[in-house]
Amino acid sequence: DAGVIQSPRHEVTEMGQEVTLRCKPISGHNSLFWYRQTMMRGLELLIYFNNNVPIDDSGMPEDRFSAKMPNASFSTLKIQPSEPRDSAVYFCASSFSGVETQYFGPGTRLLVL
Amino acid sequence: GEDVEQSLFLSVREGDSSVINCTYTDSSSTYLYWYKQEPGAGLQLLTYIFSNMDMKQDQRLTVLLNKKDKHLSLRIADTQTGDSAIYFCAETTDKLIFGTGTRLQVFP
Repeated sequence: DAGVIQSPRHEVTEMGQEVTLRCKPISGHNSLFWYRQTMMRGLELLIYFNNNVPIDDSGMPEDRFSAKMPNASFSTLKIQPSEPRDSAVYFCASSFSGVETQYFGPGTRLLVL
Repeated sequence: GEDVEQSLFLSVREGDSSVINCTYTDSSSTYLYWYKQEPGAGLQLLTYIFSNMDMKQDQRLTVLLNKKDKHLSLRIADTQTGDSAIYFCAETTDKLIFGTGTRLQVFP
């Protein structure tokens, strides 16, 4: 079975550019999560969707970040404009329902120059 | 407040047992998890324990839960070089709260 799929796996961009990260959750999972991992702050939950509806977006750093889940099989995390401090690994995770037992994708490594 | 703590590093000899420890703060957590992260990879769910259990064993992995002390441990028997990774414990409240991770290094 396919796990959580993320694209791209690596992204290098210049400050000010728009970045879009993509995620396909495991089929049948109703909850989707976006995380950011950095050396300084560890793993941070950015936003959590349940049945395509955002439940908790308190971790979204600022208005430059936005996330959408137009259907049960696709989500995007957009950063516009990007800044060097956004450089991190961004993970998508999904679960059957709710915050428990989450399965993670391989991550997108973002470098903003 | 929400805070999950782990020691940062653990170094063991191949073939020995590894014990990774974690303390958490929320006694209402329903599940507690162990994830493994290899270099350049995502987090792999290793095992989990329900809060009303004291112990769970899964092949080389043994999870011990002490709810009174809010202490969770992961024991890896017969540790192999392929076990070298960062191990995260996590508790569930209204979201999944991760510890800082323990980097396990296995040497021959």
